[in-house]
Amino acid sequence: DQQVKQNSPSLSVQEGRISILNCDYTNSMFDYFLWYKKYPAEGPTFLISISSIKDKNEDGRFTVFLNKSAKHLSLHIVPSQPGDSAVYFCAATSGSARQLTFGSGTQLTVLP
Amino acid sequence: NAGVTQTPKFQVLKTGQSMTLQCAQDMNHNSMYWYRQDPGMGLRLIYYSASEGTTDKGEVPNGYNVSRLNKREFSLRLESAAPSQTSVYFCASSEGTGAPETQYFGPGTRLLVL
Repeated sequence: DQQVKQNSPSLSVQEGRISILNCDYTNSMFDYFLWYKKYPAEGPTFLISISSIKDKNEDGRFTVFLNKSAKHLSLHIVPSQPGDSAVYFCAATSGSARQLTFGSGTQLTVLP
Repeated sequence: NAGVTQTPKFQVLKTGQSMTLQCAQDMNHNSMYWYRQDPGMGLRLIYYSASEGTTDKGEVPNGYNVSRLNKREFSLRLESAAPSQTSVYFCASSEGTGAPETQYFGPGTRLLVL
Protein backbone atom coordinates (compact mmCIF):
# COMPACT_ATOMS: atom_id res chain seq x y z
CA ASP A 1 0.00 0.00 0.00
CA GLN A 2 1.67 3.19 -1.21
CA GLN A 3 1.49 5.82 1.50
CA VAL A 4 2.94 8.55 -0.75
CA LYS A 5 1.76 8.77 -4.33
CA GLN A 6 2.89 10.81 -7.30
CA ASN A 7 0.34 9.99 -9.97
CA SER A 8 2.04 11.78 -12.85
CA PRO A 9 5.14 9.90 -14.04
CA SER A 10 6.10 12.76 -16.34
CA LEU A 11 5.46 16.44 -16.99
CA SER A 12 6.65 18.75 -19.79
CA VAL A 13 6.55 22.53 -19.60
CA GLN A 14 7.96 25.41 -21.61
CA GLU A 15 10.87 27.39 -20.27
CA GLY A 16 9.66 30.39 -18.32
CA ARG A 17 6.27 28.87 -17.48
CA ILE A 18 5.14 27.40 -14.17
CA SER A 19 5.75 23.74 -13.30
CA ILE A 20 3.35 22.16 -10.81
CA LEU A 21 4.21 18.76 -9.39
CA ASN A 22 1.67 16.97 -7.22
CA CYS A 23 1.85 14.48 -4.38
CA ASP A 24 -0.82 12.75 -2.29
CA TYR A 25 -0.39 10.86 0.97
CA THR A 26 -2.57 8.57 3.04
CA ASN A 27 -0.85 8.43 6.43
CA SER A 28 -2.21 11.18 8.70
CA MET A 29 0.77 10.71 11.04
CA PHE A 30 3.17 12.29 8.56
CA ASP A 31 4.27 15.64 9.97
CA TYR A 32 7.08 16.73 7.66
CA PHE A 33 7.28 16.68 3.90
CA LEU A 34 10.24 17.09 1.59
CA TRP A 35 10.92 17.41 -2.11
CA TYR A 36 14.09 15.95 -3.60
CA LYS A 37 15.47 16.47 -7.07
CA LYS A 38 17.45 13.75 -8.84
CA TYR A 39 19.60 13.92 -11.93
CA PRO A 40 20.62 10.71 -13.75
CA ALA A 41 23.49 8.80 -12.11
CA GLU A 42 23.42 11.07 -9.04
CA GLY A 43 21.90 10.82 -5.60
CA PRO A 44 18.75 12.76 -4.66
CA THR A 45 19.43 16.30 -3.50
CA PHE A 46 17.20 18.14 -1.05
CA LEU A 47 15.13 20.92 -2.58
CA ILE A 48 12.54 22.23 -0.11
CA SER A 49 10.50 21.04 2.86
CA ILE A 50 7.38 21.93 4.81
CA SER A 51 6.16 21.14 8.29
CA SER A 52 2.58 20.03 8.82
CA ILE A 53 1.93 23.15 10.90
CA LYS A 54 2.38 25.32 7.82
CA ASP A 55 0.53 25.48 4.52
CA LYS A 56 3.19 27.16 2.40
CA ASN A 57 6.95 27.42 2.23
CA GLU A 58 8.86 29.43 -0.34
CA ASP A 59 12.51 29.38 -1.38
CA GLY A 60 13.37 31.43 -4.43
CA ARG A 61 11.69 29.94 -7.48
CA PHE A 62 10.37 26.99 -5.47
CA THR A 63 7.18 26.98 -3.38
CA VAL A 64 5.62 24.01 -1.64
CA PHE A 65 1.93 24.06 -0.69
CA LEU A 66 0.38 21.68 1.84
CA ASN A 67 -3.35 20.93 2.10
CA LYS A 68 -3.70 18.73 5.16
CA SER A 69 -7.43 18.19 4.84
CA ALA A 70 -6.94 16.82 1.32
CA LYS A 71 -3.65 15.10 2.23
CA HIS A 72 -2.11 16.77 -0.78
CA LEU A 73 1.02 18.76 -1.44
CA SER A 74 2.37 20.42 -4.53
CA LEU A 75 5.64 21.92 -5.68
CA HIS A 76 5.53 25.03 -7.85
CA ILE A 77 8.56 26.10 -9.86
CA VAL A 78 8.36 29.61 -11.32
CA PRO A 79 9.83 30.35 -13.78
CA SER A 80 10.89 26.91 -15.01
CA GLN A 81 14.38 26.59 -16.47
CA PRO A 82 15.95 23.84 -18.61
CA GLY A 83 18.28 23.00 -15.73
CA ASP A 84 15.22 22.06 -13.67
CA SER A 85 14.75 18.99 -15.87
CA ALA A 86 15.11 16.07 -13.45
CA VAL A 87 13.09 13.52 -11.51
CA TYR A 88 11.33 15.04 -8.51
CA PHE A 89 10.50 12.89 -5.51
CA CYS A 90 8.03 13.76 -2.80
CA ALA A 91 8.84 12.26 0.62
CA ALA A 92 7.16 12.24 4.01
CA THR A 93 8.27 11.41 7.52
CA SER A 94 7.00 10.99 11.07
CA GLY A 95 8.17 9.57 14.37
CA SER A 96 11.50 9.87 16.13
CA ALA A 97 13.40 7.62 13.67
CA ARG A 98 12.54 10.00 10.83
CA GLN A 99 12.41 7.36 8.12
CA LEU A 100 11.48 8.81 4.76
CA THR A 101 8.64 7.35 2.69
CA PHE A 102 9.04 8.30 -0.96
CA GLY A 103 6.66 8.68 -3.86
CA SER A 104 7.55 7.09 -7.19
CA GLY A 105 8.77 10.35 -8.73
CA THR A 106 7.80 12.67 -11.57
CA GLN A 107 10.12 13.28 -14.51
CA LEU A 108 10.03 17.01 -15.27
CA THR A 109 11.22 18.14 -18.70
CA VAL A 110 11.56 21.88 -19.29
CA LEU A 111 11.60 22.62 -23.00
CA PRO A 112 13.72 25.56 -24.22
CA ASN B 1 33.85 18.22 2.97
CA ALA B 2 32.72 15.28 0.80
CA GLY B 3 29.30 14.73 2.41
CA VAL B 4 28.16 11.14 1.88
CA THR B 5 30.42 8.84 -0.14
CA GLN B 6 29.67 5.35 -1.41
CA THR B 7 31.85 2.60 -2.84
CA PRO B 8 31.81 0.97 -5.29
CA LYS B 9 29.99 3.03 -7.90
CA PHE B 10 29.09 -0.02 -9.96
CA GLN B 11 29.26 -3.78 -9.36
CA VAL B 12 28.29 -6.92 -11.24
CA LEU B 13 27.70 -10.08 -9.23
CA LYS B 14 26.69 -13.62 -10.05
CA THR B 15 23.76 -15.18 -8.21
CA GLY B 16 24.92 -16.49 -4.85
CA GLN B 17 27.96 -14.24 -4.53
CA SER B 18 28.33 -11.91 -1.58
CA MET B 19 29.45 -8.32 -1.35
CA THR B 20 29.50 -5.33 0.97
CA LEU B 21 28.49 -1.82 -0.02
CA GLN B 22 30.37 0.85 1.88
CA CYS B 23 29.07 4.23 3.01
CA ALA B 24 30.76 7.01 4.92
CA GLN B 25 29.73 10.52 5.96
CA ASP B 26 31.85 13.38 7.23
CA MET B 27 29.06 15.61 8.58
CA ASN B 28 29.14 14.17 12.12
CA HIS B 29 25.60 12.91 11.66
CA ASN B 30 24.05 10.49 14.11
CA SER B 31 21.62 8.71 11.79
CA MET B 32 22.36 6.77 8.61
CA TYR B 33 20.12 4.96 6.14
CA TRP B 34 20.24 2.51 3.24
CA TYR B 35 17.66 2.75 0.43
CA ARG B 36 17.17 0.95 -2.84
CA GLN B 37 15.61 2.44 -5.95
CA ASP B 38 14.00 0.33 -8.65
CA PRO B 39 12.60 1.53 -12.01
CA GLY B 40 9.23 3.26 -11.66
CA MET B 41 9.43 3.20 -7.91
CA GLY B 42 10.56 5.59 -5.26
CA LEU B 43 13.35 4.89 -2.84
CA ARG B 44 12.54 2.19 -0.30
CA LEU B 45 14.23 1.95 3.07
CA ILE B 46 16.22 -1.24 3.67
CA TYR B 47 17.82 -0.60 7.08
CA TYR B 48 18.64 2.40 9.18
CA SER B 49 20.79 3.30 12.14
CA ALA B 50 19.30 5.99 14.34
CA SER B 51 22.57 6.33 16.27
CA GLU B 52 25.94 4.62 16.60
CA GLY B 53 25.47 1.12 17.96
CA THR B 54 21.85 0.69 16.84
CA THR B 55 20.32 -0.69 13.64
CA ASP B 56 16.72 -1.36 12.66
CA LYS B 57 14.85 -2.88 9.75
CA GLY B 58 13.12 -0.72 7.20
CA GLU B 59 10.51 -1.60 4.62
CA VAL B 60 12.52 -4.17 2.58
CA PRO B 61 15.23 -5.78 4.80
CA ASN B 62 15.09 -9.37 3.55
CA GLY B 63 18.37 -10.58 2.03
CA TYR B 64 20.46 -7.79 3.60
CA ASN B 65 22.49 -7.18 6.72
CA VAL B 66 24.04 -3.96 7.98
CA SER B 67 26.84 -2.87 10.26
CA ARG B 68 27.25 0.53 11.87
CA LEU B 69 31.02 0.33 12.13
CA ASN B 70 31.41 3.71 13.87
CA LYS B 71 29.70 7.08 13.71
CA ARG B 72 30.99 7.74 10.18
CA GLU B 73 30.47 4.39 8.47
CA PHE B 74 27.44 2.24 7.70
CA SER B 75 27.83 -0.83 5.48
CA LEU B 76 25.25 -2.96 3.70
CA ARG B 77 25.98 -6.64 3.04
CA LEU B 78 24.40 -9.04 0.60
CA GLU B 79 25.25 -12.54 1.80
CA SER B 80 23.91 -14.44 -1.24
CA ALA B 81 22.95 -12.11 -4.06
CA ALA B 82 19.80 -12.74 -6.09
CA PRO B 83 18.67 -11.16 -9.39
CA SER B 84 15.85 -9.43 -7.48
CA GLN B 85 18.53 -7.40 -5.70
CA THR B 86 19.56 -5.73 -8.95
CA SER B 87 18.97 -2.10 -8.09
CA VAL B 88 20.56 1.24 -7.33
CA TYR B 89 21.49 1.56 -3.67
CA PHE B 90 21.65 4.91 -1.89
CA CYS B 91 23.09 5.68 1.48
CA ALA B 92 21.90 8.75 3.38
CA SER B 93 22.61 10.48 6.67
CA SER B 94 20.92 13.04 8.91
CA GLU B 95 21.64 14.80 12.18
CA GLY B 96 19.37 12.39 14.01
CA THR B 97 17.91 14.80 16.54
CA GLY B 98 14.47 13.23 16.29
CA ALA B 99 13.07 16.51 15.02
CA PRO B 100 12.05 16.99 11.37
CA GLU B 101 15.26 17.24 9.37
CA THR B 102 16.84 16.72 5.99
CA GLN B 103 18.53 13.52 4.87
CA TYR B 104 21.59 13.88 2.64
CA PHE B 105 22.24 11.25 0.01
CA GLY B 106 25.32 9.71 -1.52
CA PRO B 107 25.77 9.24 -5.28
CA GLY B 108 24.58 5.63 -5.28
CA THR B 109 25.89 2.16 -6.13
CA ARG B 110 24.50 0.46 -9.21
CA LEU B 111 24.34 -3.30 -8.63
CA LEU B 112 23.62 -5.89 -11.32
CA VAL B 113 23.07 -9.49 -10.23
CA LEU B 114 23.21 -12.03 -13.06
